Amino acid sequence: GESVGLHLPTLSVQEGDNSIINCAYSNSASDYFIWYKQESGKGPQFIIDIRSNMDKRQGQRVTVLLNKTVKHLSLQIAATQPGDSAVYFCAENTNNAGNMLTFGGGTRLMVKP
Amino acid sequence: DGGITQSPKYLFRKEGQNVTLSCEQNLNHDAMYWYRQDPGQGLRLIYYSQIVNDFQKGDIAEGYSVSREKKESFPLTVTSAQKNPTAFYLCASSSDATNEKLFFGSGTQLSVL
Repeated sequence: GESVGLHLPTLSVQEGDNSIINCAYSNSASDYFIWYKQESGKGPQFIIDIRSNMDKRQGQRVTVLLNKTVKHLSLQIAATQPGDSAVYFCAENTNNAGNMLTFGGGTRLMVKP
Repeated sequence: DGGITQSPKYLFRKEGQNVTLSCEQNLNHDAMYWYRQDPGQGLRLIYYSQIVNDFQKGDIAEGYSVSREKKESFPLTVTSAQKNPTAFYLCASSSDATNEKLFFGSGTQLSVL
């Protein structure tokens, strides 16, 4: 909704270019990671996930890379389109009590036509 | 269509008033969650329920209450004890015991009059 993402980091890319959204995660014990896309006024939508026994996973136009050495996760979007404009969140399963996901603060992606 | 339905889309609360946000899912998921989203921040967990008639506090449960009388329904009440209730509220569900891949509703924007 209108309350989402007023002070978020912003990535601005040209339509057709590739986008890379980065996320630093907090817990070296985390074994599952997930990316969500949230458009204005809507709930987050699942994009792609990856387990810690993998370094890379590909979906349709999206790739997630996991670097456990530096606790870094990235989402790559190929041939970015105007419909990709949204806020993107990463989340990790830190294996805390209840096994809940911990969400990052999000990055706003703006696609210029 | 299977999914999670939140209502209303917009809700206004007067001082001292309790309000209830609805969340219904027809995905046959066991686990359901409530998150709060504020500008520039990630999602924060309010309450979650892994099974009917059972629920647990999340990170910011104070001023909120829930019930889980049916598998399909997980309403959230924002009580008068919640002094800063203005936020975007998201309900989610998951099918697996690991609580990893969450499916979200479209959210309710709550504002104080």
